[in-house]
Amino acid sequence: AQSVTQPDIHITVSEGASLELRCNYSYGATPYLFWYVQSPGQGLQLLLKYFSGDTLVQGIKGFEAEFKRSQSSFNLRKPSVHWSDAAEYFCAVGPGGTGKLIFGQGTTLQVKP
Amino acid sequence: SQTIHQWPATLVQPVGSPLSLECTVEGTSNPNLYWYRQAAGRGLQLLFYSVGIGQISSEVPQNLSASRPQDRQFILSSKKLLLSDSGFYLCACVPGTVDTDTQYFGPGTRLTVL
Repeated sequence: AQSVTQPDIHITVSEGASLELRCNYSYGATPYLFWYVQSPGQGLQLLLKYFSGDTLVQGIKGFEAEFKRSQSSFNLRKPSVHWSDAAEYFCAVGPGGTGKLIFGQGTTLQVKP
Repeated sequence: SQTIHQWPATLVQPVGSPLSLECTVEGTSNPNLYWYRQAAGRGLQLLFYSVGIGQISSEVPQNLSASRPQDRQFILSSKKLLLSDSGFYLCACVPGTVDTDTQYFGPGTRLTVL
């Protein structure tokens, strides 16, 4: 079955520290992978996406993610977290285009001053 | 680029009352449109999607229905709301032209059923 797992429900990091949010997927075909961010009470904003090519992708707000096919993972990273990064982060997988996305349960990031 | 509007932003309704949530899209033509529900503490659940006017696919059997009367308008409805219909409803689109591989989301509607 197709699925996305975000193992960490909550993560707390200090401002200025590095961040890694984990995402593992199960998908039969070559997946299109996405990371979205949601601030409280808001819609989802696309951070980055991977379709093919270079397995390290750069996104907005200083985020990057690395696709590792052998581990079925697409972890999100940021070298130095800012207080404004506090939000909920969703990993998603799908065929892209007219297809439907499968979302993980989300990881809530809290940033300590 | 596309812009997605959702109306209303917040809604409080009694159990058994009807529901109509509207999603409109600007800046693209012939988009694919999606309705998601996000319950408290849970991820996103796809409810309906549409590839064109009058074409609706339902993902989960439930108390809700969807319609697409115009190319860039997507409506979520219910005849009688249940307590379990409470949640955050998000409309999303895949633009019909340039970027056909990514879903973009609207600001959402917070629905509370009392």
